[in-house]
Amino acid sequence: AQSVTQLDSHVSVSEGTPVLLRCNYSSSYSPSLFWYVQHPNKGLQLLLKYTSAATLVKGINGFEAEFKKSETSFHLTKPSAHMSDAAEYFCVVSGEDSSYKLIFGSGTRLLVRP
Amino acid sequence: DTEVTQTPKHLVMGMTNKKSLKCEQHMGHRAMYWYKQKAKKPPELMFVYSYEKLSINESVPSRFSPECPNSSLLNLHLHALQPEDSALYLCASSLRQMSHSGNTIYFGEGSWLTVV
Repeated sequence: AQSVTQLDSHVSVSEGTPVLLRCNYSSSYSPSLFWYVQHPNKGLQLLLKYTSAATLVKGINGFEAEFKKSETSFHLTKPSAHMSDAAEYFCVVSGEDSSYKLIFGSGTRLLVRP
Repeated sequence: DTEVTQTPKHLVMGMTNKKSLKCEQHMGHRAMYWYKQKAKKPPELMFVYSYEKLSINESVPSRFSPECPNSSLLNLHLHALQPEDSALYLCASSLRQMSHSGNTIYFGEGSWLTVV
């Protein structure tokens, strides 16, 4: 069965410093992996997705994630945090076993200090 | 355009009321979803419609009744709700039901429901 673990419930960074949000997954199949962002009182917005093409995936707003099969990880990074990046981030996995569900991580709250 | 539109944005209803949440997309997607999200938690799947037919019901209480009038619209009818049903209700859509790798689900902004 697939699962996803977000290793930090909260991450706090200063504006202008790098962001790292960690995600490990478990899947018996070649997974599809996604990062979604949810700003306060908003819906979920897709940041990026991995679907077995390039292992380094570029998303919107300067975010990128690297798929590492050997480490079963899909960490989200950004070189320089902006105040507008403060939000909840969800790592999500979907497998190729005809599963109809997105499996969500528990979320990481990113705080950006001025 | 990757827009899923939900109305109303906010709804307050009594436990004896009947109300509906509405969702619309014009991306040609044939799968539509309802999710429920409580504060500080990830979304939980409620229903999946595929080609206007109910495909999945995640054991949701019958006081929630989904309806898919056509390929662009999805409704969630609410009746005799409980205060614990207060949550953010998210509609989403994808090209097909989420059984294909890389099939991306696009979410709406959500409807905030408060049951009093």
